[in-house]
Amino acid sequence: GISVTQMEGPVTLSEEAFLTINCTYTATGYPSLFWYVQYPGEGLQLLLKATKADDKGSNKGFEATYRKETTSFHLEKGSVQVSDSAVYFCALINTGTASKLTFGTGTRLQVTL
Amino acid sequence: KAGVTQTPRYLIKTRGQQVTLSCSPISGHRSVSWYQQTPGQGLQFLFEYFSETQRNKGNFPGRFSGRQFSNSRSEMNVSTLELGDSALYLCASSERQVNTEAFFGQGTRLTVV
Repeated sequence: GISVTQMEGPVTLSEEAFLTINCTYTATGYPSLFWYVQYPGEGLQLLLKATKADDKGSNKGFEATYRKETTSFHLEKGSVQVSDSAVYFCALINTGTASKLTFGTGTRLQVTL
Repeated sequence: KAGVTQTPRYLIKTRGQQVTLSCSPISGHRSVSWYQQTPGQGLQFLFEYFSETQRNKGNFPGRFSGRQFSNSRSEMNVSTLELGDSALYLCASSERQVNTEAFFGQGTRLTVV
């Protein structure tokens, strides 16, 4: 079936530390891949996306590369800030499912001073 | 350009009642999807509408229904509310139906007592 697996949280980092949140997926065809972020009490905000193999999505210092050979889309940031504290969701749209998003369970990131 | 607007932001209902939630998509967007977010089940797809037609449906009972109007605004209805329906309901709009990113509203927090 179609699924997205994210690393369990919470992830606690000190400010300026390097961040990696792992995401792997199971899908058919060539899915589009996304990272969304949710701040407390808010909806989801699109952070970045990649629509084909080897594409790199980037935004606000965050990056993720679409790796078809390992079915992965890991999120990275070189230096996190306290303001990055939020829940991060990896998601995909599978080929032929229009705009239906399948989400991972989310990873909570807590950044401390 | 205004974002996705969901009303109301918060609702408290009693078991057995019904509720209607509203979503106004980004201007020019014709696809609207609904998701339910709970701590136990995460983000789950409810249904998707494009040009007033339901194009995709998730695994929810028939008590959950929706519709889309000619101006792309959408409503979802839940009848005979159960305690387990307490959740954050998120609406997302997309410009096209296929392979395009979704933009989310802030959600409606429904509490069933």
